[in-house]
Amino acid sequence: DAKTTQPNSMESNEEEPVHLPCNHSTISGTDYIHWYRQLPSQGPEYVIHGLTSNVNNRMASLAIAEDRKSSTLILHRATLRDAAVYYCILNTGGFKTIFGAGTRLFVKA
Amino acid sequence: DVKVTQSSRYLVKRTGEKVFLECVQDMDHENMFWYRQDPGLGLRLIYFSYDVKMKEKGDIPEGYSVSREKKERFSLILESASTNQTSMYLCASSHGQGDYYGYTFGSGTRLTVV
Repeated sequence: DAKTTQPNSMESNEEEPVHLPCNHSTISGTDYIHWYRQLPSQGPEYVIHGLTSNVNNRMASLAIAEDRKSSTLILHRATLRDAAVYYCILNTGGFKTIFGAGTRLFVKA
Repeated sequence: DVKVTQSSRYLVKRTGEKVFLECVQDMDHENMFWYRQDPGLGLRLIYFSYDVKMKEKGDIPEGYSVSREKKERFSLILESASTNQTSMYLCASSHGQGDYYGYTFGSGTRLTVV
């Protein structure tokens, strides 16, 4: 199953943009890129997903590299409530999706 | 608001006890999953089910079993709890088999085995 690589942690200042990177060099043509986030004491929640084109929703934007081997989750203005662990996963259509350790985002006031 | 509900947020059990973790979803999803989450290890898949009465092993099924008698309910069973099964357990569901279908997770059950 395809795997992703993310930094262990990142730090941001409140109200500044945050760019969370993800490498997925073994991605196949039909794999969707999904992002989830996990707030303290909660289960992961869906943030955004995409296949080839960049995507925007009310929570975030997803920028996908042209070769699809990397992607970036963009939080346009970080708030203290965005402090969480962010997971980048490849949804391969199978059932054994791999969730790695994710990136722990710290937001400073 | 659609959701996945796990019956307990916190549970303390003794070594050797049989433990049942219950999960119910109200989205008519075909697929249901049980993960465990430990510090530094991410989420690891224990079992999943793609239909009623169907189950498949995930990456770490040893010491666990599951039951899915109804579409909306997926139970995780620890046959004889051990201290190394102390963990956060997360239930999730998803619809169909399309690559674009995402997961909806419950809030988790933190199990401590003493």
